[in-house]
Amino acid sequence: GENVEQHPSTLSVQEGDSAVIKCTYSDSASNYFPWYKQELGKGPQLIIDIRSNVGEKKDQRIAVTLNKTAKHFSLHITETQPEDSAVYFCAASRGGADGLTFGKGTHLIIQP
Amino acid sequence: ETGVTQSPTHLIKTRGQQVTLRCSSQSGHNTVSWYQQALGQGPQFIFQYYREEENGRGNFPPRFSGLQFPNYSSELNVNALELDDSALYLCASSSETGVTEAFFGQGTRLTVV
Repeated sequence: GENVEQHPSTLSVQEGDSAVIKCTYSDSASNYFPWYKQELGKGPQLIIDIRSNVGEKKDQRIAVTLNKTAKHFSLHITETQPEDSAVYFCAASRGGADGLTFGKGTHLIIQP
Repeated sequence: ETGVTQSPTHLIKTRGQQVTLRCSSQSGHNTVSWYQQALGQGPQFIFQYYREEENGRGNFPPRFSGLQFPNYSSELNVNALELDDSALYLCASSSETGVTEAFFGQGTRLTVV
């Protein structure tokens, strides 16, 4: 089955700086890659996603890149703000009814 | 606000008991998936329901079962609870099965003692 590795497990950045979280996946048939933000006591919130026919997608301060050859994808957050502090999860899916396979998460800490 | 609601928010059960968790999907969504999230881990896929039938399952034993109703709401049932079943149980709804966005509820925190 699919295996998703996520790095780093903890990332501390100064407010206003950029943050990058990286994930690799094992199943070349995976074609959908969402990113979720989870705040304490809440369920995961979808923040951006990318499909295998696209190399990059941007939404305001958030961008995701995908390299299908290398089987890795990354989340980029620019101009970080205190409210960006949370746990971020990457996931991969081959579609159908296989569900999402998640990474172990990155705890992003924005230092004031 | 995603529109996916789960109940209850918290509950405590004794080892060996059975539990039922409930989920109401977002309006217009006909597919519901359930995930188990252990402390400090990413969610793990349990199964998915589409048109009232289970159409996909992760690596979970048969004592994890579910239902989907005609209004697309869903239940997760766990029999013979074990201590390791203690986790946050998340429900996610999608507009259809396949490669599409999944929106999560706030989860049910289950503690097995």
